[in-house]
Amino acid sequence: ILNVEQSPQSLHVQEGDSTNFTCSFPSSNFYALHWYRWETAKSPEALFVMTLNGDEKKKGRISATLNTKEGYSYLYIKGSQPEDSATYLCAPVIQGAQKLVFGQGTRLTINP
Amino acid sequence: NAGVTQTPKFRVLKTGQSMTLLCAQDMNHEYMYWYRQDPGMGLRLIHYSVGEGTTAKGEVPDGYNVSRLKKQNFLLGLESAAPSQTSVYFCASSPRQFIAMNTEAFFGQGTRLTVV
Repeated sequence: ILNVEQSPQSLHVQEGDSTNFTCSFPSSNFYALHWYRWETAKSPEALFVMTLNGDEKKKGRISATLNTKEGYSYLYIKGSQPEDSATYLCAPVIQGAQKLVFGQGTRLTINP
Repeated sequence: NAGVTQTPKFRVLKTGQSMTLLCAQDMNHEYMYWYRQDPGMGLRLIHYSVGEGTTAKGEVPDGYNVSRLKKQNFLLGLESAAPSQTSVYFCASSPRQFIAMNTEAFFGQGTRLTVV
């Protein structure tokens, strides 16, 4: 079983503040790392698919970095807004895998 | 474009009853997945399929069966429902293996199942 850890499990941030959280995964046989955003009562939607060590992806105020050698990825949100409130899920892909195994998620709440 | 559609959206079952959840995708995707979501547990993979006529077990397959008779449909069956199967069930699909470049999963809207 692939061990995927996300921390913290929940986070409350004041509107306008920046925040970040972590996804840790086994670095052996790594191929890619997925980040998904999951708003309450909606379906999870892909944010980023990252494959290269040192890779950085950005979408608006949200960005992510990847360290494949030590097995972690950070997700950053700059200037948090209420619409950023969601659960953020990560899922590593290992060589040969035909499925995604998700972490428990980080539940982010932005306080107005 | 409907994407991934799950039927039904809500269901209440009595212990021991059976039911089938339907997942349909109109994107011609090869791969399909069934996950369950429980508080504090994230998404856990029940079963998946890498193509029409194929199925495979995920992390938590016990108590469930699946079939992929048509490429666009992936059915999840509960033969004898138990309260432990109360959960939100998500179906997902992807066009190819996740080791292919920039391949992401597309999710349905979820089915909330309560077993009493």
